[in-house]
Amino acid sequence: AQKITQTQPGMFVQEKEAVTLDCTYDTSDPSYGLFWYKQPSSGEMIFLIYQGSYDQQNATEGRYSLNFQKARKSANLVISASQLGDSAMYFCAMGDDKIIFGKGTRLHILP
Amino acid sequence: NAGVTQTPKFQVLKTGQSMTLQCAQDMNHNSMYWYRQDPGMGLRLIYYSASEGTTDKGEVPNGYNVSRLNKREFSLRLESAAPSQTSVYFCASSEWGGQNTGELFFGEGSRLTVL
Repeated sequence: AQKITQTQPGMFVQEKEAVTLDCTYDTSDPSYGLFWYKQPSSGEMIFLIYQGSYDQQNATEGRYSLNFQKARKSANLVISASQLGDSAMYFCAMGDDKIIFGKGTRLHILP
Repeated sequence: NAGVTQTPKFQVLKTGQSMTLQCAQDMNHNSMYWYRQDPGMGLRLIYYSASEGTTDKGEVPNGYNVSRLNKREFSLRLESAAPSQTSVYFCASSEWGGQNTGELFFGEGSRLTVL
């Protein structure tokens, strides 16, 4: 069975600092994708970054990078130089056809 | 460019009533999903359809039925609504293979209240 865990319910970070959001997962599938989504207070789901289980290099998209450690089954999101607009809920997700989500981390960026 | 369209956006039901949430996507995606979002619980998968003609249970399927009407449309039905089904429901679609990563494209959500 698939399982995904985000252990940080909430985080407070000073503006311009880097922040790491933790995500661990468990699956018996050899092939799967890992995703991060942002949900601002307006409620829409915004795709941030994707990592394939066979990808050798960590994915990067602008200020977002995914620290993928396959042996440890972790897929942490790193946001560099945080901005006030990064305040939101962040969800880690994984799967192949069946995609499940973690419970999320609420990130607060402090001015 | 509509993407994923869900209807209705808001609905209030009484316990025991039935209703269907409609979802349509115009991206020619094979996979479609229904999630519910409750405070502190993240998004939980109700049902998914990996291709036209197939549906599979997700994490919380009890009390729900789905129909993959065609490649574009995937509906979610509550036969006898219960207060525990008060939630925000999201439909999503994705495509795997080739250049596609399986990224989920979401609808705007449907807020359902069961009294």
